[in-house]
Amino acid sequence: DQQVKQNSPSLSVQEGRISILNCDYTNSMFDYFLWYKKYPAEGPTFLISISSIKDKNEDGRFTVFLNKSAKHLSLHIVPSQPGDSAVYFCAASAGNQFYFGTGTSLTVIP
Amino acid sequence: DTGVSQNPRHKITKRGQNVTFRCDPISEHNRLYWYRQTLGQGPEFLTYFQNEAQLEKSRLLSDRFSAERPKGSFSTLEIQRTEQGDSAMYLCASSSLAGGYNEQFFGPGTRLTVL
Repeated sequence: DQQVKQNSPSLSVQEGRISILNCDYTNSMFDYFLWYKKYPAEGPTFLISISSIKDKNEDGRFTVFLNKSAKHLSLHIVPSQPGDSAVYFCAASAGNQFYFGTGTSLTVIP
Repeated sequence: DTGVSQNPRHKITKRGQNVTFRCDPISEHNRLYWYRQTLGQGPEFLTYFQNEAQLEKSRLLSDRFSAERPKGSFSTLEIQRTEQGDSAMYLCASSSLAGGYNEQFFGPGTRLTVL
């Protein structure tokens, strides 16, 4: 049972534009959400997170939005840069277990 | 300390053989996690340690799998009698209280191929 879903396997965006990556979850007990970025041949790297008591968290070009009623979160990257091209995973936790989505491959076109 | 390291990076074995992977976490991190990732999927939780204590195990962790962290530092993951379905990337991650335990730092993974 996939508790965290990323329904878009891939996304292409022009450099300088906004990238919006989406994630849906089913478990209302999740209390913390994270985004990870992964380059080929490397492990995932933590990018940004948000607690369930908030609806927005911003860190430089990256902003995560959480809509608890819709069980939806999104990652906005503005402006997108070619170096942002990677696979992005969203993850959620309830207690000490973490559940990951299947990833979205972002390509930023120069 | 430059991060989480995993050895070997690649392992090819024949079905039925035993394999062991090692993970060295960031030195001050007292939590250590093992995940498995197959093609097209995200990491799936297998187990985690708080210091040397193994606190949770996923139902994915069959009795052929065993993990240890004897001194609360490095950890090993052993798979006995490997099957072709065990072929995957095995990821290790560590975290600390300073990061609220939520921010996990991942190693590069060990890619296992079972022939």
